[in-house]
Amino acid sequence: QQQVKQSPQSLIVQKGGISIINCAYENTAFDYFPWYQQFPGKGPALLIAIRPDVSEKKEGRFTISFNKSAKQFSLHIMDSQPGDSATYFCAASNYGGATNKLIFGTGTLLAVQP
Amino acid sequence: DVKVTQSSRYLVKRTGEKVFLECVQDMDHENMFWYRQDPGLGLRLIYFSYDVKMKEKGDIPEGYSVSREKKERFSLILESASTNQTSMYLCASRPRWTEQYFGPGTRLTVT
Repeated sequence: QQQVKQSPQSLIVQKGGISIINCAYENTAFDYFPWYQQFPGKGPALLIAIRPDVSEKKEGRFTISFNKSAKQFSLHIMDSQPGDSATYFCAASNYGGATNKLIFGTGTLLAVQP
Repeated sequence: DVKVTQSSRYLVKRTGEKVFLECVQDMDHENMFWYRQDPGLGLRLIYFSYDVKMKEKGDIPEGYSVSREKKERFSLILESASTNQTSMYLCASRPRWTEQYFGPGTRLTVT
């Protein structure tokens, strides 16, 4: 119930294309869904996050789509660029818990080819 | 700017050695975390702490211990390093309600 399942494990996209990464969760108590981006040799950094009161959140070329009934959420990267090549992690937690911890997916290695 | 620093970027230790990994955050965050990152397994939580001297086991605590004597510092200890503890170790900190910040990681090799 605590797992977050992420797919695909790796993704190759042409420059200008759309990258889509999917995550699914089981625990209905989860109410905070962030995406982290990690470049080689660096720690992960928060990219974008969503709460379940909205079905979509957009920041620049990055969009989270959230489907509460299906318990799924996805990251869409529009007009993908070589600089977007990184590992992406989805995560989930119970935002309201004082000692809440993030449950991470297994990561997606994205390569954007020029 | 929030800063989470880790004592070493790369570390090579021998089997059986006691290993200390240090993490310091400069933003007075209550929560601190230690993860290990392995290919195909993502980020797995080893231990976390939500206050000074408080600690809780994560998903894979075996072979590890932690210490949090001051709010800004969270140490991960490998009592007797083994080759299966070769990994990337990431420290993170977070205020009670908002986003989590990661350090740059320590790549530990145990030979």
